Amino acid sequence: QVVLTQSPSASASLGASVKLTCTLSSGHSTYAIAWHQQQPEKGPRYLLRLNNDGSHFKGDGISDRFSGSSSGAERYLTISSLQSEDEADYYCQTWGTGFWVFGGGTKLTVL
Amino acid sequence: QVQLVESGGGLVKPGGSLRLSCAASGFTFSDYYMSWIRQAPGKGLEWISYISGSGNTIYYAESVKGRFTISRDNAKKSLYLQMNSLRAEDTAVYYCARDVIVVVPAVPDYWGQGTLVTVSS
Repeated sequence: QVVLTQSPSASASLGASVKLTCTLSSGHSTYAIAWHQQQPEKGPRYLLRLNNDGSHFKGDGISDRFSGSSSGAERYLTISSLQSEDEADYYCQTWGTGFWVFGGGTKLTVL
Repeated sequence: QVQLVESGGGLVKPGGSLRLSCAASGFTFSDYYMSWIRQAPGKGLEWISYISGSGNTIYYAESVKGRFTISRDNAKKSLYLQMNSLRAEDTAVYYCARDVIVVVPAVPDYWGQGTLVTVSS
């Protein structure tokens, strides 16, 4: 079964950029993933779907400040021009026939 | 605009039952797979189940198989989750979501705000 690994926390300054990482388990490096954002006390919000070739497809209304990229088994979410409302938990997620898997999430602090 | 509104959460004793509902609007409900996803307090997200637009295709996570039943009523634009034999570890916020197909149901592209289920004596 595929496993997604995320660092528990990350931080970056207001106005800066940050790159969050989601690592696919061995043998699953070609999987596509999705990124979701969960602001405090809110339900999650879909950000984008990211293929292993780096192509990505954003959700409705998602800012151009959010982008995705891939390298091997790593999937990245880059957030540029950080704003205070970007302080949130970020989850990666993948899928197969009859199952979905979420990573443990990364808590992003905007300094 | 797409809206998903969950209801039916509450406090239930271990071994008890609860039925969650999700009212959908802003899209053609019957055209979409729908899912339930939960989040235990202070924890991450866990996929529970999804159901096809017709209701003919259903999958469950192992953690709830045999205890939970997903269903839908397309005329009422509603998704349901019948939860039986509830355990303390089922305590969580339960979210419904609309699914995007990438060959198979792949990504929840819209989420509800969630409903809290607490299993405690």
